[in-house]
Amino acid sequence: NAGVTQTPKFQVLKTGQSMTLQCAQDMNHEYMSWYRQDPGMGLRLIHYSVGAGITDQGEVPNGYNVSRSTTEDFPLRLLSAAPSQTSVYFCASSYEGAGGETQYFGPGTRLLVL
Amino acid sequence: GQQVMQIPQYQHVQEGEDFTTYCNSSTTLSNIQWYKQRPGGHPVFLIQLVKSGEVKKQKRLTFQFGEAKKNSSLHITATQTTDVGTYFCAGGIGGGSEKLVFGKGMKLTVNP
Repeated sequence: NAGVTQTPKFQVLKTGQSMTLQCAQDMNHEYMSWYRQDPGMGLRLIHYSVGAGITDQGEVPNGYNVSRSTTEDFPLRLLSAAPSQTSVYFCASSYEGAGGETQYFGPGTRLLVL
Repeated sequence: GQQVMQIPQYQHVQEGEDFTTYCNSSTTLSNIQWYKQRPGGHPVFLIQLVKSGEVKKQKRLTFQFGEAKKNSSLHITATQTTDVGTYFCAGGIGGGSEKLVFGKGMKLTVNP
């Protein structure tokens, strides 16, 4: 099993550009989520999904869109990138739910918005 | 909003020392999880505590869940340079719901 994979590893964008961060897992996990990590802020939940076709907002959803068409994939879209979105983005998955389940994190995507 | 607070945010110790870091919640947690993130890496699951007063050990690491299920501690004995990293606690909010709230982390550095 590859676990949780994320692409790209690094990305530089200009303000206003759009892009999609990819996340995939091969563990047949129902629950997937996106976090951003900023210095001194810990991990903040952006969006999450409890299964294919179901998504919901986390703590900091503004500026991000998600969809979940398959169990395996959970892409995160930035429609119009802003410098405030410069961060490290982690995708995570678990068998079901998050409150009581071990979260498996991907290696992260480091995003710089100029 | 619901918060999980970690203290201290930074800890610098001499190799061989013991120390304890704490995690406190404003609400009762269904469970507490601890993760470790090495510099440049991603968070990796260490342990989960579910029962009130539960204590679990992993080699030199001892984890405890408070009686009221609102706080937790991580005690490391004989700290080694391999312990360097950021330790996060994360609390389950809402009785097994989708919410897992992370603390801001405790960054550990070790002087060899």
